[in-house]
Amino acid sequence: GDSVTQMEGPVTLSEEAFLTINCTYTATGYPSLFWYVQYPGEGLQLLLKATKADDKGSNKGFEATYRKETTSFHLEKGSVQVSDSAVYFCALSGTGGSYIPTFGRGTSLIVHP
Amino acid sequence: DTEVTQTPKHLVMGMTNKKSLKCEQHMGHRAMYWYKQKAKKPPELMFVYSYEKLSINESVPSRFSPECPNSSLLNLHLHALQPEDSALYLCASNPKAGGQNEKLFFGSGTQLSVL
Repeated sequence: GDSVTQMEGPVTLSEEAFLTINCTYTATGYPSLFWYVQYPGEGLQLLLKATKADDKGSNKGFEATYRKETTSFHLEKGSVQVSDSAVYFCALSGTGGSYIPTFGRGTSLIVHP
Repeated sequence: DTEVTQTPKHLVMGMTNKKSLKCEQHMGHRAMYWYKQKAKKPPELMFVYSYEKLSINESVPSRFSPECPNSSLLNLHLHALQPEDSALYLCASNPKAGGQNEKLFFGSGTQLSVL
């Protein structure tokens, strides 16, 4: 079945540091890929998405590129802020006709001033 | 209106109580979901409603009973819960029932504690 593997957290950074959160997937067919973010006490919200190979999703300074050859969708940001502290979930959907997303375990990001 | 609204935000209940969680969206979305999320874990799918009909039940115990009275409203009725059912319950919606490229819109959740 489909699966998403994320790096284990927490990831702890100082403000303005470079961020990478790794995400790899296993799927049949051609899934759509997503990054969701969950701030404390809130639900998940979409950060960015990519629907086909080599697409780059971007939002609020975050970027991720759909790499079919390495089955990866790593999240990056050039300069993190304290307000980016949250849990980040990689997800896929769309294989086998299913529109139900498969989520990774989530990676907690803590940014210190 | 681009929100999914969940009420209540917090709920404490005993194991013999009956309570209900409510979820509303007025975006015209045709698929609505219930998820359960334990601390430091990803959301786990419980139920999916597609065009107001239950399309997926992920083998959820019968003490959880979903209801979709109309296209904007989704309820989760709770009865005789166990302490291990304590979790954040998230509602989500999707513009299209079969839209693989569409994002999910999540509510802020109901934090449930079962004593």
